[in-house]
Amino acid sequence: KAGVTQTPRYLIKTRGQQVTLSCSPISGHRSVSWYQQTPGQGLQFLFEYFSETQRNKGNFPGRFSGRQFSNSRSEMNVSTLELGDSALYLCASSWGGGQRHYNEQFFGPGTRLTVL
Amino acid sequence: EDQVTQSPEALRLQEGESSSLNCSYTVSGLRGLFWYRQDPGKGPEFLFTLYSAGEEKEKERLKATLTKKESFLHITAPKPEDSATYLCAVQADTGFQKLVFGTGTRLLVSP
Repeated sequence: KAGVTQTPRYLIKTRGQQVTLSCSPISGHRSVSWYQQTPGQGLQFLFEYFSETQRNKGNFPGRFSGRQFSNSRSEMNVSTLELGDSALYLCASSWGGGQRHYNEQFFGPGTRLTVL
Repeated sequence: EDQVTQSPEALRLQEGESSSLNCSYTVSGLRGLFWYRQDPGKGPEFLFTLYSAGEEKEKERLKATLTKKESFLHITAPKPEDSATYLCAVQADTGFQKLVFGTGTRLLVSP
């Protein structure tokens, strides 16, 4: 069974640009969550999508947005990049609720974004 | 606000020297407490989910336990390949899939 995949694995952008990251969840999983990981702040929740709807959002500015497609694949977009957006962006998938094991989240390898 | 505190920040062990990592939490209503292992440059790898106080789970040399205020990850006779950062996270019963993470414990096991 294939795991969570993320593309691209590495990105280098300059300030002011925008970027789109992609995440393909484990087959059958309907929930995709995005996290930002930095040395200073650790892992922080960005947002969660379930059946194409955003149902939870963390404390990040509106420059961070996302969407989910009917096949559960998700994209995350960051506009007007700032130096502080340099981080490892991780996506996690799960069944998304109901029985207990439906909440177990499995992470992808991440996209390393560097903003120059 | 939900919070997770992990201690120690870093731990160095000799191969075979057992120890425990601590995760203290405050959460409005706990749906689950999660343990992950993360190697440098990789995504977190799922280890365990604990749902209620008194619950225990084991996997190879690792054993996780849960009380109403904290969780412990016990490492028995560790090997160098157990070296990694161990992350603890809580999921509230009102937060859908959102996980709130601690800052992790960096474990180094020397041969």
